[in-house]
Amino acid sequence: DQQVKQNSPSLSVQEGRISILNCDYTNSMFDYFLWYKKYPAEGPTFLISISSIKDKNEDGRFTVFLNKSAKHLSLHIVPSQPGDSAVYFCAASANDMRFGAGTRLTVKP
Amino acid sequence: DVKVTQSSRYLVKRTGEKVFLECVQDMDHENMFWYRQDPGLGLRLIYFSYDVKMKEKGDIPEGYSVSREKKERFSLILESASTNQTSMYLCASSPPGRGGLAGQEQYFGPGTRLTVT
Repeated sequence: DQQVKQNSPSLSVQEGRISILNCDYTNSMFDYFLWYKKYPAEGPTFLISISSIKDKNEDGRFTVFLNKSAKHLSLHIVPSQPGDSAVYFCAASANDMRFGAGTRLTVKP
Repeated sequence: DVKVTQSSRYLVKRTGEKVFLECVQDMDHENMFWYRQDPGLGLRLIYFSYDVKMKEKGDIPEGYSVSREKKERFSLILESASTNQTSMYLCASSPPGRGGLAGQEQYFGPGTRLTVT
């Protein structure tokens, strides 16, 4: 039972354009959401998070949006850079943490 | 700089062998976690620990056990390795969140790619 879903396994965008990665969840008890980035042969690294009491959190080029009524969050990267090419995992936390399957982002020069 | 290390990057074991995966963190974190990562399934939680000698089952504990004798070290044990345990294993740690569990961001090790033949 996947409580956190990333329905797009891959996304390709041009350098300088916006990347939008999406995530849906089913458990209304989740109250903290995170995005992780993973390069090949490395462990995931924390990117940005948002509490359920907010609907937006911004950190430089990265913005996370939360729509609680739709149980949906998204990560916007603007402008996208080739170094952003990685697998991005969405995660949601209640008493433990659940991860999505990941989306592979490729940013083309 | 925070650090989570795992004992091996690559490991090849035979079916039926007992396998130990070691994880050490230097951040004095209370929480430690073991995940496996498989294509299309993301990260699935095997076990976690919120204190020394404490352990909790995650989503897929069958075929695994864990040991946490010291705060900085969390070991994953495959009692009798099987081919369906071929996977990437990731260890993580975090400071306590709400209720001492996973409310904070986790710091991951580089992973151990285990192949069971």
